[in-house]
Amino acid sequence: EVQLLESGGGLVQPGGSLRLSCVVSGFTLNSCALTWVRQAPGKGLEWVSGLTVRSGATYYADFVKGRFTISRDSSTNTLYLQMNSLRPDDTALYYCAKGVGPPPSDYILDFWGPGTLVTVSS
Amino acid sequence: DIVMTQSPDSLAVSLGERATINCKSSQTILHNSNNKNFLAWFQQKPGQPPKLLIYWASTRESGVPDRFSGSGSGADFTLTISSVQAEDAAVYYCQQYYIPPHTFGQGTNLEIK
Repeated sequence: EVQLLESGGGLVQPGGSLRLSCVVSGFTLNSCALTWVRQAPGKGLEWVSGLTVRSGATYYADFVKGRFTISRDSSTNTLYLQMNSLRPDDTALYYCAKGVGPPPSDYILDFWGPGTLVTVSS
Repeated sequence: DIVMTQSPDSLAVSLGERATINCKSSQTILHNSNNKNFLAWFQQKPGQPPKLLIYWASTRESGVPDRFSGSGSGADFTLTISSVQAEDAAVYYCQQYYIPPHTFGQGTNLEIK
C-alpha cells in the first residue's frame, strides 16, 4: 500500500528555518518524481517544489527559490524540504505527493500525504 | 510561469444535473512529441488532501466514477460531471505539469443544490 507521511511542521518566527520530512512506503523512492504542494488556510493549492529522483533534477516556484531546498534520502525513503528565511506568507499546510511513474508521467500526482502545518508568526 | 485560470470560481448545481468547470492555460500545454496535453484535474474535500481525477486532460484515474470526464486541448480544457451526486461537493483544481513550476488553477467550489 502506497503511503506518504509528512512531519516537521510547527510554529516558527519570521526569518527562521524548518525542515519538513516525508516518509514514503509501498513504492521505490527512485522510481518516480516527488513534489511539495502547499495550501494556505482557506486558500487554493500552490506548487512549491519538485524532484526527479532518477536524475536528481530539482525545480522550485519563484516564491521559494533561494530559500527552500528539496532533497531525498533513498536509504530511509524520505523526502525533505529545507525551508529558510521563512515569512508569514509561507504559513500553510504542506503536502508531499508522488508521481505516477517514469517520464512523461512523472509529475502526475496520484498519491498525497495528509500534510504538515507550518505557521510563521512572531 | 504558466498561469492557469479556472471559471467559474463557484457554482451550484442540482442533484442529477450536469456540472461544467473550465480551465484555461496562458500557453499551450500540448506536447508535440507525444501529442499529449499535460493537464490534470483534482478534487479536494474539506480536511482531505487532493484526489487525482483526470490526467492527460481526459484519462480517468482508476476508481474514479465515469460521470467525471475531461476534454479539451492546447490551452482550453473542461471538467464535466454528467450527473452530479451529493458526494461531489468539493473544490476542483486543474494543474499543468508541462513546465515547472507545475501551477494550479485557483479552484472552483462546487455546491450541490
